Amino acid sequence: RKEVEQDPGPFNVPEGATVAFNCTYSNSASQSFFWYRQDCRKEPKLLMSVYSSGNEDGRFTAQLNRASQYISLLIRDSKLSDSATYLCVVNGEYGGSQGNLIFGKGTKLSVKP
Amino acid sequence: DAGVTQSPTHLIKTRGQQVTLRCSPISGHKSVSWYQQVLGQGPQFIFQYYEKEERGRGNFPDRFSARQFPNYSSELNVNALLLGDSALYLCASSQGPRPGGYTFGSGTRLTVV
Repeated sequence: RKEVEQDPGPFNVPEGATVAFNCTYSNSASQSFFWYRQDCRKEPKLLMSVYSSGNEDGRFTAQLNRASQYISLLIRDSKLSDSATYLCVVNGEYGGSQGNLIFGKGTKLSVKP
Repeated sequence: DAGVTQSPTHLIKTRGQQVTLRCSPISGHKSVSWYQQVLGQGPQFIFQYYEKEERGRGNFPDRFSARQFPNYSSELNVNALLLGDSALYLCASSQGPRPGGYTFGSGTRLTVV
C-alpha cells in the first residue's frame, strides 16, 4: 500500500461547483497533515493544514479522520483560478525526527467557464 | 523579503556527469530539505538538514549527497547521472526541523540526456 494515496483525476467541473478530494495514508503514527496546491510547472504551495477537528479557510474545508486514516478537501463555489493539482501531504519520520513530508501524487482539478 | 531561492533554474546534463544544485533559505530559517519531483508524481523526500546536520534521508542511492553551510544555504550533489534523475528538484526551508512551515523554492529543472 502506498504511503499517501489520492485519486489522480482529472476532475473537470464548471465554475461555481463544489468539488471534494479524498486521500488515505498508511502510517497511523502520522501527526501532521496538509493540503498543498501546485500550479503547472511551479512549486507546491501550502493551501492549508488539516486539524483533527476539521478546519475551514474561506471556500476551502479540510477534514481528518484518524480512525480511517482519511483526509478530505472540499472546495465550494469553484473559481477558474482554483485549477491546479492538489497534493495531500502527511509528515514522515526518520530516526525520531518528523521533518520530512510524504506527498501523494496529486489530484488535478480543472474548472471550466 | 526574499523567499527560498534556487539556482540554476534549468540545467541539461549528460549521463554520467555530476551536478550541484544550490538553495538559499528564507532569512532566519535554519532547516533546508530537498525533494525530487518526477513528472506526474508528487515530490519525494531526499534530505533534510537542520543546523548544518543531516536530520533525515529518503530512499535515494549514495550518488545523492548534500550539505548545509554556516549561513544555512545548502547544496545537493548528484554523481553519475542517470536518465531517471531528470526531474524538478525542490528545496524547502523552515524555521525548525518540523514540517509545519515549509516554503518551497521554485525548483531546478534537471534534464539528463
